[in-house]
Amino acid sequence: EIVLTQLPGTLSLSPGERATLSCRASQSVRSSYLAWYQQKHGQAPRLLVYGASSRATDIPDRFSGSGSGTDFTLTISRLEPEDFAVYYCQQYGNTPPLTFGQGTKVEIK
Amino acid sequence: QVQLVESGGGVVQSGKSLRLSCAASGFTFGRFALHWVRQAPGKGLEWVAFISSDGNTEYFADSVKGRFTVSRDNSKNTMYLQMTSVRAEDTAFYYCARDRGHDAPHFMDVWGTGTPVTVSS
Repeated sequence: EIVLTQLPGTLSLSPGERATLSCRASQSVRSSYLAWYQQKHGQAPRLLVYGASSRATDIPDRFSGSGSGTDFTLTISRLEPEDFAVYYCQQYGNTPPLTFGQGTKVEIK
Repeated sequence: QVQLVESGGGVVQSGKSLRLSCAASGFTFGRFALHWVRQAPGKGLEWVAFISSDGNTEYFADSVKGRFTVSRDNSKNTMYLQMTSVRAEDTAFYYCARDRGHDAPHFMDVWGTGTPVTVSS
């Protein structure tokens, strides 16, 4: 089973700043099959990125994903007020099981 | 529009059973695989189960294997999660989610709003 570790646990930033979220896998993720989701309080998760770097439908271009192997990054170029939320990475290259990281909370500084 | 709606959650006694449903609309249900994902209070996301578009392939997390079963009725656009021998650690919000593919687990591109399950002693 691939374990995903997300760092940092909490990121305190101001609107307009750049956010860099890390997701590290315990072993190489096949074909960069890694996705990112955003979850706002009291809501279901929303797909942001799949295949490590492909944005999902209707996702603003301030969200970008990168990485391969064991190290992946989600970058939010300029934080908007609606971007403050919890972000999860998920691997689907070595399944079952599907695994999620423990999440990174992006909070307002 | 594309929508998934879960139902069937509630309070269940430890050791008992509960069946969750996930009703789909707005897309060709039988072309997509589906998942159950849960989230314990204040915790992160945990994948629970997968079922392929034709219902012939199923996978489960070790934490529920042997206790939960998953099924689907493509004529009713509905997926089910049968939970048996429930435990306190099964207390969570349960989401159904659509896989982007049909035969193997990938990422989830559509999520329902979830249904809460509380296991009481």
